[in-house]
Amino acid sequence: GQQVMQIPQYQHVQEGEDFTTYCNSSTTLSNIQWYKQRPGGHPVFLIQLVKSGEVKKQKRLTFQFGEAKKNSSLHITATQTTDVGTYFCAGPESGGSNYKLTFGKGTLLTVNP
Amino acid sequence: GAGVSQTPSNKVTEKGKYVELRCDPISGHTALYWYRQSLGQGPEFLIYFQGTGAADDSGLPNDRFFAVRPEGSVSTLKIQRTERGDSAVYLCASSLTNGYNSPLHFGNGTRLTVT
Repeated sequence: GQQVMQIPQYQHVQEGEDFTTYCNSSTTLSNIQWYKQRPGGHPVFLIQLVKSGEVKKQKRLTFQFGEAKKNSSLHITATQTTDVGTYFCAGPESGGSNYKLTFGKGTLLTVNP
Repeated sequence: GAGVSQTPSNKVTEKGKYVELRCDPISGHTALYWYRQSLGQGPEFLIYFQGTGAADDSGLPNDRFFAVRPEGSVSTLKIQRTERGDSAVYLCASSLTNGYNSPLHFGNGTRLTVT
């Protein structure tokens, strides 16, 4: 079945440093979504990318969707303590509808103030 | 407005018992999903409802798991003869539709512990 892999599994940074997490799918994705889960919380939708090569920004966060629509990245510039949490990418099952998402294992980001 | 509400927030049960987990989606959201999240893992799809019907239950691990949404709003996930391996956080999510540009809104989850 479809696999979505994320690296790194953990990342610890000093406040102010940049952070990047990478997501790779075993199959081509129609779209990719990113979610953030704070410790003890639930996943919260951040963004969806649909087009090949698409780049979207949300303040200090930059999201990219690969040209082949099989990989994606999330880059955070100048991390803050509020960025702490696990970042998940998720894509719909190949050939399936948008509803059935396969999530990666996530990247846990911790920030040292 | 109110988000997705799940009750109970925690449930401890003995192996072999029956449990029910409840989800109250965001008002007006037609699509409802159940996911399961184990420690250190991403959410894993269980079942999807569009309206009252289970459109896709392919993620349910076995026939001990069943879910209903009788009136197209509140949903209940039912687990019979619970096993220790069922211990996880059960997340419910809803979305306005099941199409593109309709992100999932997750509830806080029910942490199920089977002893």
